Amino acid sequence: GESVGLHLPTLSVQEGDNSIINCAYSNSASDYFIWYKQESGKGPQFIIDIRSNMDKRQGQRVTVLLNKTVKHLSLQIAATQPGDSAVYFCSRPGYALNFGKGTSLLVTP
Amino acid sequence: GAGVSQSPSNKVTEKGKDVELRCDPISGHTALYWYRQSLGQGLEFLIYFQGNSAPDKSGLPSDRFSAERTGGSVSTLTIQRTQQEDSAVYLCASSPRDRGLSADTQYFGPGTRLTVL
Repeated sequence: GESVGLHLPTLSVQEGDNSIINCAYSNSASDYFIWYKQESGKGPQFIIDIRSNMDKRQGQRVTVLLNKTVKHLSLQIAATQPGDSAVYFCSRPGYALNFGKGTSLLVTP
Repeated sequence: GAGVSQSPSNKVTEKGKDVELRCDPISGHTALYWYRQSLGQGLEFLIYFQGNSAPDKSGLPSDRFSAERTGGSVSTLTIQRTQQEDSAVYLCASSPRDRGLSADTQYFGPGTRLTVL
């Protein structure tokens, strides 16, 4: 079945540095991926999405890259700020929504 | 309302008691989802409602868990005879249309933190 998982459970970066959070998937039929951000004590919030006919999509300070050859996607956050500290989930919506455990991003001053 | 709301925000109960958790989705959203998130874990899918279709209950962990959605809007998740392992944050989300393979963004509520003593 489908599995969407995160490579690393935690990531610590210094304020101002760029962050890269990785995610792998197993089902090539995936046509849509969403990144969510979950701050402490809150529900996940939509950050950015990408469809399988795209390799890259940019938002405000965030970029998602999709490599269909190796079934991998990444979320890049530019100039990471303390407010970016959260757990980040990649998700492939579908019949069995699977978020995985997420990557906890900690931004240090 | 402006977003998905859930109540109560916190619930402490004794083992063996029944609890009801409520979710008010965004008005007009036809799809509603319940998830469970244990400490330090990802989101575990529980149940999915879409319009008037029969709900997808494939994620419910046991028959102590049930959910209903009245009038295509408000949903209630009921846990009977609660156990300590039921302690978690229960999250509700809604989306404007069927998820399917074309998927859709889910809008999450703040969750209900359930503690079973």
